[in-house]
Amino acid sequence: EAGVVQSPRYKIIEKKQPVAFWCNPISGHNTLYWYLQNLGQGPELLIRYENEEAVDDSQLPKDRFSAERLKGVDSTLKIQPAELGDSAVYLCASSPRAATTGYNEQFFGPGTRLTVL
Amino acid sequence: AQSVAQPEDQVNVAEGNPLTVKCTYSVSGNPYLFWYVQYPNRGLQFLLKYITGDNLVKGSYGFEAEFNKSQTSFHLKKPSALVSDSALYFCAVRVGNFNKFYFGSGTKLNVKP
Repeated sequence: EAGVVQSPRYKIIEKKQPVAFWCNPISGHNTLYWYLQNLGQGPELLIRYENEEAVDDSQLPKDRFSAERLKGVDSTLKIQPAELGDSAVYLCASSPRAATTGYNEQFFGPGTRLTVL
Repeated sequence: AQSVAQPEDQVNVAEGNPLTVKCTYSVSGNPYLFWYVQYPNRGLQFLLKYITGDNLVKGSYGFEAEFNKSQTSFHLKKPSALVSDSALYFCAVRVGNFNKFYFGSGTKLNVKP
């Protein structure tokens, strides 16, 4: 079974430039998460999708961050414009729907390491 | 508010010795608890989970964890540490029927030969 796929793995940009990250979850997983992870810290939720609906985006800085999951499968996270403080690892994860499959764990992709210069 | 605490930033242990990585939680409702491991430049990998039933949960790579409701703890343990266990470990809690997870700040485990 293929895991969660993310691209690119690494991205270096200058501040004020736009950047986009792509995630393809495990087939059949309804729930998709985007997390931000700073060095040596735990993941912090940015947004959670159930199918194509964003059900929790309270931690997403909406002035510069946006996300979409148009067909309820893969997803894109965008930052425009990027700031120096956005340098971090952006993790995507997926899990089956809770109500139908019990209390399953999340499956994480390898992450995208963003460096803003 | 839901939260997870990992009181130790770093744990050092000699190879072959038992290891414990601590986790405490604070939630309203029934907690569902998870441990993940992260190797450098990799995503988080699932180790084990507690949902219900036996308080001692066994997981991947010889790890186990004990759920203690009265102490609101879910400590990760292994009887005999390996150098290859050196990594960053995260405790996470999920509450109720919602697919939302709260992560601790992580504990770096160093196993020395």
